[in-house]
Amino acid sequence: QVHLQQSGPGLVKPSETLSLTCSVSGASISSYFWTWIRLSPGKGLELIANIFDRENTNYNPSLESRVSVSLDTSKNQFSLSLSAVTAADTALYYCARLREKLLRSGESSYFLDSWGQGTLVTVSS
Amino acid sequence: EIVLTQSPVTLSLSPGERATLSCRASQIVTSSYFAWYQQKPGQPPRLLIYGTSNRATGIPDRFSGSGAETDFTLTISRLEPEDFAVYYCQQYGSSPLLSFGPGTRVVVK
Repeated sequence: QVHLQQSGPGLVKPSETLSLTCSVSGASISSYFWTWIRLSPGKGLELIANIFDRENTNYNPSLESRVSVSLDTSKNQFSLSLSAVTAADTALYYCARLREKLLRSGESSYFLDSWGQGTLVTVSS
Repeated sequence: EIVLTQSPVTLSLSPGERATLSCRASQIVTSSYFAWYQQKPGQPPRLLIYGTSNRATGIPDRFSGSGAETDFTLTISRLEPEDFAVYYCQQYGSSPLLSFGPGTRVVVK
């Protein structure tokens, strides 16, 4: 069974960088896509970024200029950095596994099947 | 960009009743790329349905999904007390790569 454990500060000052880490057990991070999602009252659930490896990374265009994601295969964990944060970045942040599954129809399906516990990040001085 | 719209915003029902939740996409979504999630307070979202109509592991058969192109439905045949929650639809494949609807809250009448 896959387990995702998030870590990182819950309070970040405006203009600084938000950093979160997601430690994975029960699956190799080299074998799947991994995702950062956030939930806020204003925007609901919002994709931040997906990563498979350094060459296969996808960012939400609205956040791309401020986001960086990376993998640490030696620790089986992945990380998120969001720079120049403002109050609008206050949200509940989740890491999740993006799973690809082949359906009986022969088509591939993509969904988030395992989630971290969530980290409430508040941007405030 | 595909925009997902869910209706109703809030669904007020009693245990044992049938719940029908709708998700409409602004453009055609590949059926295999469509999913539903349930979220309860203090918990992360939980996958219910993937590929429009496939139940995730451990999901009771009172949950079913249907639909195609731009109109998708999640049906809960008989509401149990633990089913009162927020439900989100999700599409994959259109920029941003993955996006969600705003959610439908199912509350006790």
